[in-house]
Amino acid sequence: DIQMTQSPSSLSASVGDRVTITCRASQSISSYLNWYQQKPGKAPKLLIYAASSLQSGVPSRFSGSGSGTDFTLTISSLQPEDFVAYYCQRSNSVPFTFGGGTKVEIK
Amino acid sequence: EVQLLESGGGLVQPGGSLRLSCVASGFSLSIYAMSWVRQAPGNGLEWVSAFSSGGTTYYADPVKGRFTISRDNSKNTLYLQMNSLGVEDTAVYYCARCLVGSSGWCNWFDPWGQGTLVTVSS
Repeated sequence: DIQMTQSPSSLSASVGDRVTITCRASQSISSYLNWYQQKPGKAPKLLIYAASSLQSGVPSRFSGSGSGTDFTLTISSLQPEDFVAYYCQRSNSVPFTFGGGTKVEIK
Repeated sequence: EVQLLESGGGLVQPGGSLRLSCVASGFSLSIYAMSWVRQAPGNGLEWVSAFSSGGTTYYADPVKGRFTISRDNSKNTLYLQMNSLGVEDTAVYYCARCLVGSSGWCNWFDPWGQGTLVTVSS
């Protein structure tokens, strides 16, 4: 199965900072890569689909890029509500593996 | 409004069974693929199973042979029958709708239900 390695597992940043989270697939998955945000005690929410498409209603400070094996989620200017967890997920074939997650914490 | 509502979670002893339900509203479940995803306490997300719009079923290796995904179009409801449960199955179980892009049958998950907690313990 294709493995998804997400890094870092956690990061500390300040409001207004630009942060980047990376996700690496163990083999090419084209652009079949999605990003989700999860707030504590809540269900995950779709942020980015097909590597770089912004889900409707998601603020434009979120962006995604990459193809093949290397992908990034960028938050251009962290807002207080962004200090939560993020997950990548591949969807080229089953099993639809998730990355291990990144927790963004306030510095 | 498109919504998913899970139910059926609870406390069950090791070796026991449980059936989860996911009622869809705002769309017809029969024309979409659907998935179950779980999250053990304090852990990340793990894909469990999927049901294609055509009725093909898929399972993650840890649950293959123990879990069965099914759908009742008349009730607009997705199910997950879980048998031979072990402590490692303790998790919040989410159902999610699959959406499709230019190709494939389940390209991303949106929306997700609020989840139902399954606790396997003696």
